[in-house]
Order: sequence, then structure tokens, then C-alpha cells
Amino acid sequence: GAVVSQHPSRVICKSGTSVKIECRSLDFQATTMFWYRQFPKQSLMLMATSNEGSKATYEQGVEKDKFLINHASLTLSTLTVTSAHPEDSSFYICSAKRGTGDQPQHFGDGTRLSIL
Amino acid sequence: RKEVEQDPGPFNVPEGATVAFNCTYSNSASQSFFWYRQDCRKEPKLLMSVYSSGNEDGRFTAQLNRASQYISLLIRDSKLSDSATYLCAVNPSGGYQKVTFGTGTKLQVIP
Repeated sequence: GAVVSQHPSRVICKSGTSVKIECRSLDFQATTMFWYRQFPKQSLMLMATSNEGSKATYEQGVEKDKFLINHASLTLSTLTVTSAHPEDSSFYICSAKRGTGDQPQHFGDGTRLSIL
Repeated sequence: RKEVEQDPGPFNVPEGATVAFNCTYSNSASQSFFWYRQDCRKEPKLLMSVYSSGNEDGRFTAQLNRASQYISLLIRDSKLSDSATYLCAVNPSGGYQKVTFGTGTKLQVIP
């Protein structure tokens, strides 16, 4: 069964709206979660690493003020796309590792964001 | 050189064929390796971990070649349902460090 839950799965909203996406680890604690973005027919792009209780680590070229990440508990990380514009339309996916060491990442179902 | 490289394909193979993908990585200290499957407009799903001694799960076999720094995925008796993009993932040093994904290899199994 799923180990990482992501909500909502689909968002359609007007330009200028801020959108919050939630990522939950279902039966384990995740000190670290990862946020990815994927444009159609392109590869996964890591946006940021979300760290529980501390600031997220953003990849080069990703605006931290545009993509706000909050990892307030060991089972929940949120990504807020602030003042979204059509170019922010994409597939956003979170992931988490069940433990340390050689554990694989498990992905949420993803959120398809469409900004009109 | 990219950290993780895959042939994007597409690999078009007939049903029942055997197909293999490779994925090369640049960091010789990489610790763990995985194959994921991603269907169109869906999230990646873990297919299998790759162990040093090689491992098999039904029709799927994964192998690691540390000397040449690549991992491979072999699919035997291909099914139509195997059509997807296959992503390799490399964890440089375990722990909570980010995993690096390849760009994926697209497989299309043809009736």
C-alpha cells in the first residue's frame, strides 16, 4: 500500500492564487522529504529538500520565496506555490525515505497544478 | 558528465521479447541503487532495489557493476503492461542525502 500520501491530486486555479500541497508519510516518521517538479515529457527535477524543524534546502534556480516549504512535523511537509502563474503549471511530486541508509524513496501520488 | 545517465529510448519491443536497460553513474562512492517505473502522468513507483550480488523479481533482474559504474535492468517475456518509463536512482552515500534520478528510458511493448 501507499506509504506517502499527497493532497490534492489536482488543482486548477486562477493566476495569482497561492496553492498549498501537502505530503504525508503514512506509517513512518520522515525527517527529510523531497519535492520534485516534472514538466510534460521531461525528467524529474528536484526542487528542494524539506527538513523537519529547519529550513528547506533549495536547488539552484528554485526561488525559495516562490515555493515555500514547511516541514513542521515528522509526518507532514507542505509546499506552497505563492502567487502562481501559468508557467508554474506542472506535476509536483513529493517523496520520503522510510529510514536512513539504503532505503529507497517512496513517492506521493503527485499534484497536477494548472494555472489559468 | 552527468551524475546519472540513461538512454532515453524509446525502446520499441514486441511482446515476449527480452529487453535490457543500462544506467551509468559518475560517483564511484555511490552506496545504493534503485529502479523505478513511471507511467504517463503518474508518480514514479519503486520497481526494485539493486543489490551488489544482483537480484531478481519475477521477470525482472537488476544488476550492479561497480567496476564500470553502471546498473542494469533486464525484463524477460515483455508484456504490454510493461510499457512505461524506467528511471534509475542512485544514492551517493546513504543517510538522508538526496537521491539522483536518471532522465528515464521509455519502453513501448508492441503487440
